[in-house]
Amino acid sequence: AQTVTQSQPEMSVQEAETVTLSCTYDTSESDYYLFWYKQPPSRQMILVIRQEAYKQQNATENRFSVNFQKAAKSFSLKISDSQLGDAAMYFCAYRSQGGSEKLVFGKGTKLTVNP
Amino acid sequence: DTGVSQDPRHKITKRGQNVTFRCDPISEHNRLYWYRQTLGQGPEFLTYFQNEAQLEKSRLLSDRFSAERPKGSFSTLEIQRTEQGDSAMYLCASSRTGVTEAFFGQGTRLTVV
Repeated sequence: AQTVTQSQPEMSVQEAETVTLSCTYDTSESDYYLFWYKQPPSRQMILVIRQEAYKQQNATENRFSVNFQKAAKSFSLKISDSQLGDAAMYFCAYRSQGGSEKLVFGKGTKLTVNP
Repeated sequence: DTGVSQDPRHKITKRGQNVTFRCDPISEHNRLYWYRQTLGQGPEFLTYFQNEAQLEKSRLLSDRFSAERPKGSFSTLEIQRTEQGDSAMYLCASSRTGVTEAFFGQGTRLTVV
């Protein structure tokens, strides 16, 4: 079974600074997807960024980028120019390719952005 | 496209009572998922539907839990004889075959007292 580990329960960053959230995963599969989801307080979970395992190039979405190290099974999220609206729980998630395509989540990292 | 809708948003029930939650997925999304999220944890997979067929159930889904998706549209999740340990946020997500992203609803927060 696949597992996802987020070793940082909480992180904080100053507005306009850069922060990196860590995620490691365990799988024996070669084809899969990795995601970072954001869950603001009392609001629905939204997708921040995704990475296909077969792609060597790291995904980027505006201020959000990932560092995907397939051999190390590491998938970190970098948030540049942090904004107050980035404050939320961030979840790393794994999904197999094929089958039910259910998501396996880590425990999350609570990000605080200080003005 | 109004997104994934869940009802109710909050439910407080006494131990031993039955509760039912509803999820309306994004129209034309043929895949529907239920997850449970307890405090301080990430969401955990409960069950999955493709159209009206329930194709996978987690071992977390005890005999007291049942889910349906009649006609492949909305879905209901029923918990019978609720226990305090059932207190959690119940999340619904939907997606379409061949599309990577799953869209989540705002969840139903269940409190069993």
